[in-house]
Amino acid sequence: GAVVSQHPSWVICKSGTSVKIECRSLDFQATTMFWYRQFPKQSLMLMATSNEGSKATYEQGVEKDKFLINHASLTLSTLTVTSAHPEDSSFYICSADDTQETQYFGPGTRLLVL
Amino acid sequence: RKEVEQDPGPFNVPEGATVAFNCTYSNSASQSFFWYRQDCRKEPKLLMSVYSSGNEDGRFTAQLNRASQYISLLIRDSKLSDSATYLCVVSLITGNQFYFGTGTSLTVIP
Repeated sequence: GAVVSQHPSWVICKSGTSVKIECRSLDFQATTMFWYRQFPKQSLMLMATSNEGSKATYEQGVEKDKFLINHASLTLSTLTVTSAHPEDSSFYICSADDTQETQYFGPGTRLLVL
Repeated sequence: RKEVEQDPGPFNVPEGATVAFNCTYSNSASQSFFWYRQDCRKEPKLLMSVYSSGNEDGRFTAQLNRASQYISLLIRDSKLSDSATYLCVVSLITGNQFYFGTGTSLTVIP
C-alpha cells in the first residue's frame, strides 16, 4: 500500500514556540492531504484539508492563524502550530488521498507543550 | 448530532469468539464507508472498505445498510492480535473528507 511519512514523530517544546510538522507521500502524488488531531481516548478530529497549490480549508473551530498549513508540492504538506500552548498537546496525524477514495495515514506526531 | 456514532465498548471477548460492531452515520448523502483499525498510540490503518453488497475478507465481514444508515463489522474466530480500536469511517464524495467514529475498543482474552 501507499506510504505516508511524518516528521518529527514526537516533539517537546516550551509554551510560546512554534512547531512545524511535515507530512510526505513517499510513493504517490497527493493533491489533497488532511490533518487530524487526536486527544487521548478520543477519535480523530479533522482539522483541515490541505490542497496543493491553494489555501487549506479549515474545519469549524480550528484557527487558521494558529495552525498554518502549506501544501507546496504534490508530496509534501506542512502543519505549523504557532505559539503552542499546553492545550495544543496532542497526537497530530496527516493522511493523503490516493484518488482511489482511500486515505493513507502517516505515523503521527506526538506534541507535548510544556 | 455527530456525523458518525459508535459504541465505544470496551468489548472483552475470549479467543475464538465472534464479535460484531455497529456504527451509524447521520448524513444520508454519505458515499464511502470504511473500517479502520488503530493500535494503541499508532495511526489508523485501513482494514476494509464497506460496499452495499457486503464484503468479506477472511475472518472479517462488513455490511452496509443504507436505509437504516448503519455499518457493521463482524469478526469471527477472534485472535489475540485482533485487540485494537476499530474506527468506523464515512466520507462524502465531495471534498473526500473523512468522518470518524470514536472507535470501539476490542480486547481478545486468552
